[in-house]
Amino acid sequence: NAGVTQTPKFQVLKTGQSMTLQCAQDMNHNSMYWYRQDPGMGLRLIYYSASEGTTDKGEVPNGYNVSRLNKREFSLRLESAAPSQTSVYFCASSEGISYFSYGYTFGSGTRLTVV
Amino acid sequence: KNQVEQSPQSLIILEGKNCTLQCNYTVSPFSNLRWYKQDTGRGPVSLTIMTFSENTKSNGRYTATLDADTKQSSLHITASQLSDSASYICVVSADNNDMRFGAGTRLTVKP
Repeated sequence: NAGVTQTPKFQVLKTGQSMTLQCAQDMNHNSMYWYRQDPGMGLRLIYYSASEGTTDKGEVPNGYNVSRLNKREFSLRLESAAPSQTSVYFCASSEGISYFSYGYTFGSGTRLTVV
Repeated sequence: KNQVEQSPQSLIILEGKNCTLQCNYTVSPFSNLRWYKQDTGRGPVSLTIMTFSENTKSNGRYTATLDADTKQSSLHITASQLSDSASYICVVSADNNDMRFGAGTRLTVKP
């Protein structure tokens, strides 16, 4: 019953460093998402992948890139980390892109600090 | 602009007491509204989902209400338990799959 697995759970980066956040789901879901959660704000969508082979920008895509490696895996890359990217990052998946029909399953999050 | 506002930001209650959390939204055209529970250090987990035609939806000790005319929802927790301590997030979706998250209400239940 793994659901959505994110790695790492915690990470500290220096400004300008790069890193990739990994996400994998074992529910055979078609759609996957990356969100960031900041204090006092709701989760904001960074990128999503409606199905294998497609990716699209969300509300706050600047400074990030994504790769839908296969149906199970969806990674988020920070090419040159900035302090403004300090946040908690959540990966989520759903059976399909229609939110009404398919609820989300969230991972446990990655807490990223950029110093 | 589609927005979701939750109140209060934080709430402390004693174990066994009831409480009500509020959610106001401007998302349009409205499709559905979900309440999520997010334990510390975990991802959100769905509690209820409500569509335009539904006024009330219960899930154990959690009861959500929706007034689509005033664009308000509430989550009522009955006979609170220590395990209810968490953030509760209201999420509203529009017909075009635009989904907006509220900032959440942080609930602390004390013994």
